[in-house]
Amino acid sequence: NAGVMQNPRHLVRRRGQEARLRCSPMKGHSHVYWYRQLPEEGLKFMVYLQKENIIDESGMPKERFSAEFPKEGPSILRIQQVVRGDSAAYFCASTGLAGEDTQYFGPGTRLTVL
Amino acid sequence: GQQVMQIPQYQHVQEGEDFTTYCNSSTTLSNIQWYKQRPGGHPVFLIQLVKSGEVKKQKRLTFQFGEAKKNSSLHITATQTTDVGTYFCAGLSNDYKLSFGAGTTVTVRA
Repeated sequence: NAGVMQNPRHLVRRRGQEARLRCSPMKGHSHVYWYRQLPEEGLKFMVYLQKENIIDESGMPKERFSAEFPKEGPSILRIQQVVRGDSAAYFCASTGLAGEDTQYFGPGTRLTVL
Repeated sequence: GQQVMQIPQYQHVQEGEDFTTYCNSSTTLSNIQWYKQRPGGHPVFLIQLVKSGEVKKQKRLTFQFGEAKKNSSLHITATQTTDVGTYFCAGLSNDYKLSFGAGTTVTVRA
């Protein structure tokens, strides 16, 4: 009974490079949420996706950030031209049904921008 | 938009003592959830409260949902070192948007 999987667990990038974070939801789940957690801070909602649809991206920065959840494969959070302020832990969570509220979190990807 | 506030931000507790952390929403909630994140780990679901005035217990943890469904509390009795971590509340609005509080980070003095 695999849980939510994220990779890589740790990612180091230099300023200006691209970061790609992957999230495979729990088996049978089709709803994915991405959160950002800065050191010593709480979880900030970024985006909510279903397969092939972005449902709510109100928490996503307007530039450099994008997310997708294709019909096949994991959800991808993409950060272009990373800056030091992007250093954070990025968690994804999944749920099964629309409106189902308990979220199951992955182990997170810790992004460090040098 | 909906805002969820948690206090205190930090809680330093002597082992064996009790403490309470509070969660307040700017809007009425459909339900409230609590999560725990251990240092270096990821948030793990603890419990969900749905009914007005609901109280649920998990061993030494007591969760309460306010009558107006806008606030909640988590009370831990006889704190142990295993209670270390950050406790987040998350409020589900009527349009199914989950908003997390900033968390209460708990440290325990042995």
